[in-house]
Amino acid sequence: SQTIHQWPATLVQPVGSPLSLECTVEGTSNPNLYWYRQAAGRGLQLLFYSVGIGQISSEVPQNLSASRPQDRQFILSSKKLLLSDSGFYLCAWSKVRGEQFFGPGTRLTVL
Amino acid sequence: AQSVAQPEDQVNVAEGNPLTVKCTYSVSGNPYLFWYVQYPNRGLQFLLKYITGDNLVKGSYGFEAEFNKSQTSFHLKKPSALVSDSASYFCAVRDPDYKLSFGAGTTVTVRA
Repeated sequence: SQTIHQWPATLVQPVGSPLSLECTVEGTSNPNLYWYRQAAGRGLQLLFYSVGIGQISSEVPQNLSASRPQDRQFILSSKKLLLSDSGFYLCAWSKVRGEQFFGPGTRLTVL
Repeated sequence: AQSVAQPEDQVNVAEGNPLTVKCTYSVSGNPYLFWYVQYPNRGLQFLLKYITGDNLVKGSYGFEAEFNKSQTSFHLKKPSALVSDSASYFCAVRDPDYKLSFGAGTTVTVRA
């Protein structure tokens, strides 16, 4: 069966520090991968999605970036965090036409 | 653009009573609709989907959803709610690029 992992589970970072969140999927190949942000426990905003290695599409302008160095690995990064980057970050995967399956999420607090 | 709306921020029901969480959609072409549930500080869990076929879709944990084309609705239902159903529920629609657009969510509280 397929599983999706995210780490860390929680993170507290100062403003201006770098960020790296990691997501990995097991049990499937060539998945579509997605990064979402959820603010205040409501509503999901799609940040990035990827249909293959090195292929990243950005949905909203921001100081975040994403990379997909391996087929089942998706990384969310920032060079300098802002207070507004606080939130709950969710990674998801899907087959091309299938439903999306979500990871457990990372709670990021920027102070 | 594809979109969904969840008109209720909160729904409160007593355990054992029917539960309905509302969702309406706006799409061009055929709708592909989904329901997810989220427990506090957890990721979203897939409940069910409508692609084509029967208007009544059965999903996980005893949930079902009714697709109504004339009313452009896709309401989530459970005949008898449990306290453990207390969570946030999200409706979503898939666009032609296979991305999902989510509603704002409905927080369900089931009281014992």
